[in-house]
Amino acid sequence: GQNIDQPTEMTATEGAIVQINCTYQTSGFNGLFWYQQHAGEAPTFLSYNVLDGLEEKGRFSSFLSRSKGYSYLLLKELQMKDSASYLCAVSAGTALIFGKGTTLSVSS
Amino acid sequence: GAGVSQSPSNKVTEKGKDVELRCDPISGHTALYWYRQRLGQGLEFLIYFQGNSAPDKSGLPSDRFSAERTGESVSTLTIQRTQQEDSAVYLCASSLGGNQETQYFGPGTRLLVL
Repeated sequence: GQNIDQPTEMTATEGAIVQINCTYQTSGFNGLFWYQQHAGEAPTFLSYNVLDGLEEKGRFSSFLSRSKGYSYLLLKELQMKDSASYLCAVSAGTALIFGKGTTLSVSS
Repeated sequence: GAGVSQSPSNKVTEKGKDVELRCDPISGHTALYWYRQRLGQGLEFLIYFQGNSAPDKSGLPSDRFSAERTGESVSTLTIQRTQQEDSAVYLCASSLGGNQETQYFGPGTRLLVL
C-alpha cells in the first residue's frame, strides 16, 4: 500500500529552527514535494527532491534519503507567518500521494 | 490569469442534489488534477487529465463522481445525488506536464451537503 507519515502538530517560537519529518512507503517514487497550506487557502509549492541530499532555498531546506524512505523540511529563523500546515507528498505515478500534514504553530 | 482558479468558492447543497465544480488551470498546462480534502485528512487524489483525456480515474470514489475537460483547458467535476460524506474541499491543480512536474493548486471549492 501507499503510506506517508508525518507528525500531526508541532510548536515553535519565533526565530527558532524546526524540522518536520516525513516517512513514506510507496509502490513507486518519482520525487518528493513539500507544500505549505495556510488555513482556508490553497497549498503552495515549497520544494522538490528527487535525488538524495539537501536542497536549500532561503530559510527553507528539504532533505531526502530514498534508501530510508525519509525526508525532512527544515525551517530556519521562524516567523509568525510560518504558522501553517506543511504537506509532504510523493509522486508515485500519475498523481501525488499526500500525508495528512503537520500543523506548525509559531508563537512569539 | 496567473494562477489556477476555481468556482464557486463555496457551495451549500441539499442531499440528493447534483453539483458542478469548475476549474480553470494555468494557461499552457497540459496536466490537470482533482483532489478532495476532508476535514483533518490529507489530500485525496480523484482524477488526472492529460490534455482532454483522463488516463487515471482511479481515485473517483463512486460512479456518482465524474469529470470532463474541454479545449485542454477548463475542467468540470460533477457529483450526482450528493451525500453528506461528500462534504469536503475540492482542490484542482495543474502542471506543465505530468509526474515529476510541480503541481500548482487553486483555492478550492468548499462543498457542504446538508
